[in-house]
Amino acid sequence: DQQVKQNSPSLSVQEGRISILNCDYTNSMFDYFLWYKKYPAEGPTFLISISSIKDKNEDGRFTVFLNKSAKHLSLHIVPSQPGDSAVYFCAAQPLGFGNEKLTFGTGTRLTIIP
Amino acid sequence: GAGVSQSPSNKVTEKGKDVELRCDPISGHTALYWYRQSLGQGLEFLIYFQGNSAPDKSGLPSDRFSAERTGGSVSTLTIQRTQQEDSAVYLCASSLGRDRVYEQYFGPGTRLTVT
Repeated sequence: DQQVKQNSPSLSVQEGRISILNCDYTNSMFDYFLWYKKYPAEGPTFLISISSIKDKNEDGRFTVFLNKSAKHLSLHIVPSQPGDSAVYFCAAQPLGFGNEKLTFGTGTRLTIIP
Repeated sequence: GAGVSQSPSNKVTEKGKDVELRCDPISGHTALYWYRQSLGQGLEFLIYFQGNSAPDKSGLPSDRFSAERTGGSVSTLTIQRTQQEDSAVYLCASSLGRDRVYEQYFGPGTRLTVT
């Protein structure tokens, strides 16, 4: 049972354009969401997060939007750069102390076309 | 500073053999996690250590899997009598403490192939 879903396994975007990666979740206990970026042969690295008390969090070129009622979040990258080519994982954590373990989606491979 | 390191980077083993995967967390990090990524799957939580507390083993898929963390630092994940479905990338992560505000730093992973 996949509680965090990334339905697009891959996405190609022209350099300079906006990249939009989507993520859906089913567990209503999740209240903290994270995006990780992964290059080949490396571990995932944290990119940006959002708490359920917010609907938007921005960090430079990266913005995460959360729609709690739809159980949907998205990561926007603008403008997209070739170095953004990587696999992006959406992850979630439930409310409560001791619930630090992450539940991940299957990832979306983003390719930025120069 | 040094990040999370894992060894070996690649391991090929025959079905039925035991394997040990090692994780060296970032110095001073009290929380340590094991995850795995099977082909076409997301990262799946396996086990979590925090300080001297009993580990959270709720993600271990079977009793063939076990892990220990010696001295609150290095951790070893052991898989006994390996099966082909155990083939995956095994990732270790560590964080400063038991709170989600602490970022989890991941190692490069060990790619396990069971033939």
